[in-house]
Amino acid sequence: AQKITQTQPGMFVQEKEAVTLDCTYDTSDPSYGLFWYKQPSSGEMIFLIYQGSYDQQNATEGRYSLNFQKARKSANLVISASQLGDSAMYFCAMREVYNFNKFYFGSGTKLNVKP
Amino acid sequence: DTGVSQNPRHKITKRGQNVTFRCDPISEHNRLYWYRQTLGQGPEFLTYFQNEAQLEKSRLLSDRFSAERPKGSFSTLEIQRTEQGDSAMYLCASSLAQIQGGEQYFGPGTRLTVT
Repeated sequence: AQKITQTQPGMFVQEKEAVTLDCTYDTSDPSYGLFWYKQPSSGEMIFLIYQGSYDQQNATEGRYSLNFQKARKSANLVISASQLGDSAMYFCAMREVYNFNKFYFGSGTKLNVKP
Repeated sequence: DTGVSQNPRHKITKRGQNVTFRCDPISEHNRLYWYRQTLGQGPEFLTYFQNEAQLEKSRLLSDRFSAERPKGSFSTLEIQRTEQGDSAMYLCASSLAQIQGGEQYFGPGTRLTVT
């Protein structure tokens, strides 16, 4: 079974609008972390935001917020006020603490921001 | 802090040759991960070190692949008898060992082309 599922291969959003990128995960580990990374066309992976499995509140980092719904095993990324520079691949990832801290990545969502 | 560095950035080799890549993590990070990424896909876990100990190795990693982190600082990934299917981007990431957070910081990658 896939550990991380990103069902949107590609998304378009108008500049200055908000966009939600979907991510669902599968784990039996009681302690885990959820991460989002951005990969522009230049190739580097950039850490955006983290949510711990025991965190009660949704994580926020500037224009990024993580909509964490533990019972549904979803960790959607919300980008507010999209900018042209947000055009990139976005990867959802999970770290299983009691499974040797292994990281699993989804297949990614390519976001295109239209002017 | 200069971040995670990887060398070489690009490597072209003929099938059957051996190649070795190097990763220098962020200096205070004790965890180091290797991933392989092919076009349009998310990073695929290969192996993971905590300090000098290799704690986990993917089942996808054949016997032709070996990794070391001799003094708990830099790491090398060697591929013996390369095959065309080994062509990919090889990413290295480092992180701190902690229950919460532990986000990974990635290097720029080594792009391997096997002809």
